[in-house]
Amino acid sequence: DQQVKQNSPSLSVQEGRISILNCDYTNSMFDYFLWYKKYPAEGPTFLISISSIKDKNEDGRFTVFLNKSAKHLSLHIVPSQPGDSAVYFCAASDTNTGNQFYFGTGTSLTVIP
Amino acid sequence: AAGVIQSPRHLIKEKRETATLKCYPIPRHDTVYWYQQGPGQDPQFLISFYEKMQSDKGSIPDRFSAQQFSDYHSELNMSSLELGDSALYFCASGDRFREKLFFGSGTQLSVL
Repeated sequence: DQQVKQNSPSLSVQEGRISILNCDYTNSMFDYFLWYKKYPAEGPTFLISISSIKDKNEDGRFTVFLNKSAKHLSLHIVPSQPGDSAVYFCAASDTNTGNQFYFGTGTSLTVIP
Repeated sequence: AAGVIQSPRHLIKEKRETATLKCYPIPRHDTVYWYQQGPGQDPQFLISFYEKMQSDKGSIPDRFSAQQFSDYHSELNMSSLELGDSALYFCASGDRFREKLFFGSGTQLSVL
């Protein structure tokens, strides 16, 4: 059973515009969330995280929003750049029960110059 | 800055052979995670170690075993390889606060 879902397999955005990547989860016990970016044939690289005590975390062009009641988080990239083109994974963890991360299936972002 | 190092980058094996994948975490990281990503699939958690002890176990087949050594590097041993084991195997390391995971570039295993 997929506990973390990214329902949009792909997204295309014009350079300079905002990219919004969405992620939904089913386990209400998840309290820690991560976003990773992955280029082909490389390991995912960490982008940004958020814990459930916050509803927003910002790092440069990347902002993650968490809506616990909706069990939804989103990653905003502003402004989008061609180098942002990659697959983005969200991941979630229940830090009280272990250190296993559950990954979504990824969203492939293409930023068009 | 030092990153997570995995070796080898690519590995080709035949069915029923054995493979050993190695992961060298970032210095002072005490936690290692192993993930398997098959073609077109999301990464699946296999196993993790904290301070050289197994801490969590995911969907790791009985044919696989892993350990973390005194220098914190970890090895994933895979025996009786099957075609379905062909995948990208990621290792990640984390610090004691687990705020971030840093992934290696992965080992691409092809079983022929």
